Amino acid sequence: DIQMTQSPSSLSASVGDRVTITCQASQDITEYLNWYQQKPGKAPKLLIYEASNLETGVPSRFSGSGSGTDFTFSIASLQPEDFATYYCQQYDNLPITFGQGTRLESK
Amino acid sequence: QMQLQESGPGLVKPSETLSLNCTVSGGSMSNYYWSWIRQTPWKGLEWIGYIYHSGNSSYNPSLRSRLTISLDTSKNQFSLKLTSVTAADTAVYYCAREAPTGNFDNWGQGTQVTVSS
Repeated sequence: DIQMTQSPSSLSASVGDRVTITCQASQDITEYLNWYQQKPGKAPKLLIYEASNLETGVPSRFSGSGSGTDFTFSIASLQPEDFATYYCQQYDNLPITFGQGTRLESK
Repeated sequence: QMQLQESGPGLVKPSETLSLNCTVSGGSMSNYYWSWIRQTPWKGLEWIGYIYHSGNSSYNPSLRSRLTISLDTSKNQFSLKLTSVTAADTAVYYCAREAPTGNFDNWGQGTQVTVSS
């Protein structure tokens, strides 16, 4: 299985901050990586697909980049509704695997 | 807007079979993969498996020996059966649509399943 390692596991930030999360794959996954946001008691929501493509309806302050084994997810200017947990997910190889999540908390 | 809704028992006894249905509304099941994903605080998000609209399926090797995913397009439903459950199968179970581009773009709300006697 491809292991997905997110960093950091948790992060404290303030409204207006720029936030960056990294995701490292245990092997080359080209650009077959997605990012999700999950709020408590809710299902994950797709934000970024294929490493850098913004899902329809997702605000442009969210962005993704990377290829191969190293990927980055950023929020340009944190909004109150962005405090949540974020996950990366690879689909280069089955089984599909997810990162362990990054919990973004208010400072 | 497509909607997915999980249904099934919230409590299952150890060694018995966990059965869940996912009803899809607001769109066709064609040309997509229909997945089950579960989530626990200790393992996070775990992909269980999917079935394609044609009936082809793929399962997580860690669960393959106990797992069946089936599809009933006439009812716009797909189902999960996991046999010989233990406490380790206690989780929130989600059904989700996987686009051909490999992303899960529609999810059910999730259903808590507890394995306990």
